[in-house]
Amino acid sequence: SAVISQKPSRDICQRGTSLTIQCQVDSQVTMMFWYRQQPGQSLTLIATANQGSEATYESGFVIDKFPISRPNLTFSTLTVSNMSPEDSSIYLCSVAGQANTEAFFGQGTRLTVV
Amino acid sequence: RKEVEQDPGPFNVPEGATVAFNCTYSNSASQSFFWYRQDCRKEPKLLMSVYSSGNEDGRFTAQLNRASQYISLLIRDSKLSDSATYLCVVNEAGTYKYIFGTGTRLKVLA
Repeated sequence: SAVISQKPSRDICQRGTSLTIQCQVDSQVTMMFWYRQQPGQSLTLIATANQGSEATYESGFVIDKFPISRPNLTFSTLTVSNMSPEDSSIYLCSVAGQANTEAFFGQGTRLTVV
Repeated sequence: RKEVEQDPGPFNVPEGATVAFNCTYSNSASQSFFWYRQDCRKEPKLLMSVYSSGNEDGRFTAQLNRASQYISLLIRDSKLSDSATYLCVVNEAGTYKYIFGTGTRLKVLA
């Protein structure tokens, strides 16, 4: 299993500002994923981040709103840009070592936009 | 039709009861299946993988029915600490794409 450290764990932000969430893994992993979990909902994949290439975004999510960096095999960031109250959610970083194996999650970032 | 569907519950059961959750998936090419547990305000954590032959881990039994495209989770002798949301997760064959069900809430009552 992988140990994933995600920060900040929570933040309250003003609308119109941006927040960058960091995800650090204790081992090298091929794929890192960013999910959003809105209150009472399940997880929705935002994007998949490969090292050295642009992230792949799911339908409904765009790079301008959720830019992602993946500078190496153990680290990634997700930025929530120009925030509005609708962005209030939990954002989760996830990794998987190989296809068809289980995924592991960071502790999540609870974001509230006011 | 949702890709992965679960009964959201909540299931309220007394301690010691046996409870079962089902989950259906729409993509017949799905390769791997998992049950995750998510406590309130916490991240999902792997409970168990689901194998074609079925598998058991203590009080927990998972089964897969490929023909009918559903997986199940059985919890025997429920404990108060089993109270959580149980997420059904399906992985598309040969990919890193994980599809999450909406989760089933379980509350075990004293």
